[in-house]
Amino acid sequence: DAGVTQSPTHLIKTRGQHVTLRCSPISGHKSVSWYQQVLGQGPQFIFQYYEKEERGRGNFPDRFSARQFPNYSSELNVNALLLGDSALYLCASSSGRTDTQYFGPGTRLTVL
Amino acid sequence: GIQVEQSPPDLILQEGANSTLRCNFSDSVNNLQWFHQNPWGQLINLFYIPSGTKQNGRLSATTVATERYSLLYISSSQTTDSGVYFCAVNTGNQFYFGTGTSLTVIP
Repeated sequence: DAGVTQSPTHLIKTRGQHVTLRCSPISGHKSVSWYQQVLGQGPQFIFQYYEKEERGRGNFPDRFSARQFPNYSSELNVNALLLGDSALYLCASSSGRTDTQYFGPGTRLTVL
Repeated sequence: GIQVEQSPPDLILQEGANSTLRCNFSDSVNNLQWFHQNPWGQLINLFYIPSGTKQNGRLSATTVATERYSLLYISSSQTTDSGVYFCAVNTGNQFYFGTGTSLTVIP
């Protein structure tokens, strides 16, 4: 079975632009979580979606939003990009809300 | 929110040595996981261990939930064990990663 997949792998944007990142969970997993990892730090929790509803939200501004589709894939959207949004964005999937999380390879976003 | 502290922050080992990494958390949690992040950024799941002890080859982990800590043991370390080790906890609707331990294993 395929693992968690994310697209794109790398992305370069300029300040003020909008970005959409995509994640496909492991087949059968119904929960997707998003994390931001700035260089040199641990991942920071952004959102969890389970059964297409938001179940948890970290301490991020409203510029960050997400959604989960009927096939359990997910999108993370970031509006009005700032230089500080440059980071590795990680997606994780799990069977249930608190089960083992499996991470994708990440999308590396650079904001210029 | 909950505080998750890991120690030591950095560790350099000779190949073949053993090590113990610690994760302390400040409040009750639903579960705890240990991850290894390789140099390319991929987070590899090592253990899902809300309590008790588990072993997988040269690695083992113990979580004492009542005392709010978890330990990851690495025996007979290899150069491929190098990277950053994170613990992560879940409190219901929030996930928190620890501060990480950067491990370097030298031949």
